[in-house]
Amino acid sequence: EAQVTQNPRYLITVTGKKLTVTCSQNMNHEYMSWYRQDPGLGLRQIYYSMNVEVTDKGDVPEGYKVSRKEKRNFPLILESPSPNQTSLYFCASSPNQVGTQYFGPGTRLTVL
Amino acid sequence: TQLLEQSPQFLSIQEGENLTVYCNSSSVFSSLQWYRQEPGEGPVLLVTVVTGGEVKKLKRLTFQFGDARKDSSLHITAAQPGDTGLYLCAGVMVGAQKLVFGQGTRLTINP
Repeated sequence: EAQVTQNPRYLITVTGKKLTVTCSQNMNHEYMSWYRQDPGLGLRQIYYSMNVEVTDKGDVPEGYKVSRKEKRNFPLILESPSPNQTSLYFCASSPNQVGTQYFGPGTRLTVL
Repeated sequence: TQLLEQSPQFLSIQEGENLTVYCNSSSVFSSLQWYRQEPGEGPVLLVTVVTGGEVKKLKRLTFQFGDARKDSSLHITAAQPGDTGLYLCAGVMVGAQKLVFGQGTRLTINP
């Protein structure tokens, strides 16, 4: 089954404790991205990757890092989380930057 | 400032009623996508419209792309509780290689 998986689905952590949210897709898509979703603001892109070892900032990249060492995986790293990073996070993959986005199920992060 | 403004942001209606949600912009888009997001899940693509004036139907859902490609609408006929969810429009601006999302319309259909 074609899918995007994210782990964990739920995470409660404290300020400053480094965390990683994993994302994996099995559709051989070149393009992957991370979004955060906040009430009233819709989906805002954090980072995206056009291919292996090619990443770039989206609209709200501050406080986040990503890597793309393999085509299927695109982890999101919060080196020092802060409460304003409390949000619902989605990973997405697509054949290209503007095509259909295939979203993961989301990760709800709470930073205390 | 949102490039794509969706209205209304919230809508709660009774089963069987009709409704329309809107996605508006001052910019021209080369294509526009509509997604539905159900609780606990990621958005799922419903339809993509690419031609000004284009109308696409998906069972009881009718999608229209404005003639000037600056706006789109989603009309649901005889809404069902299963239509409940967050509806998101997303567009590709002309000359850009970037998908931008509206803030969404949260729709609740009451039995």
